[in-house]
Amino acid sequence: SQELEQSPQSLIVQEGKNLTINCTSSKTLYGLYWYKQKYGEGLIFLMMLQKGGEEKSHEKITAKLDEKKQQSSLHITASQPSHAGIYLCGADIIGNTGKLIFGQGTTLQVKP
Amino acid sequence: DSGVTQTPKHLITATGQRVTLRCSPRSGDLSVYWYQQSLDQGLQFLIQYYNGEERAKGNILERFSAQQFPDLHSELNLSSLELGDSALYFCASSGAKQFFGPGTRLTVL
Repeated sequence: SQELEQSPQSLIVQEGKNLTINCTSSKTLYGLYWYKQKYGEGLIFLMMLQKGGEEKSHEKITAKLDEKKQQSSLHITASQPSHAGIYLCGADIIGNTGKLIFGQGTTLQVKP
Repeated sequence: DSGVTQTPKHLITATGQRVTLRCSPRSGDLSVYWYQQSLDQGLQFLIQYYNGEERAKGNILERFSAQQFPDLHSELNLSSLELGDSALYFCASSGAKQFFGPGTRLTVL
């Protein structure tokens, strides 16, 4: 969706390196989800952010929400081959419905 | 395991045919969402049901319809199938957070 832009579209990093994926909305964010997907498989829930300035972490993955910029970032510290996959951000831009629009995804490869 | 189940996992059919995809939400979740994922369109919202009633509609074709039953499971019906309907179809359910099922891969030949 052009309403939600992810960058970069793809990323190749060396194992152990840090990386950041960004998700920017053209509309007000009422909720922002991050999912991970292996090609052709289901979406694995990572984190949900709702409040401006909110930051959540799960293992070595941290996500932040900048409400003013209508942007979220996903940061992976000390990447591992297990982090490889497609990262998708999904946004609730209507509020109170749960209907999500999604970015095009960021494909991450981690080289051992 | 997200707790959302979908059947079948794979479906291969011919153009013009009709298929039904099934979804069981996580225990306690009243909302069910259907999404379509294709290479050219990405992940697109189709329709949402809440406790048996349609709540929100996305870019769902008229050939597609859905319903949610009293036991909260949902079905997505796709009819007069075309080659372009080949895609991954996901069901998601939510209470406070939205979790996705493993998807049904539909191939229309």
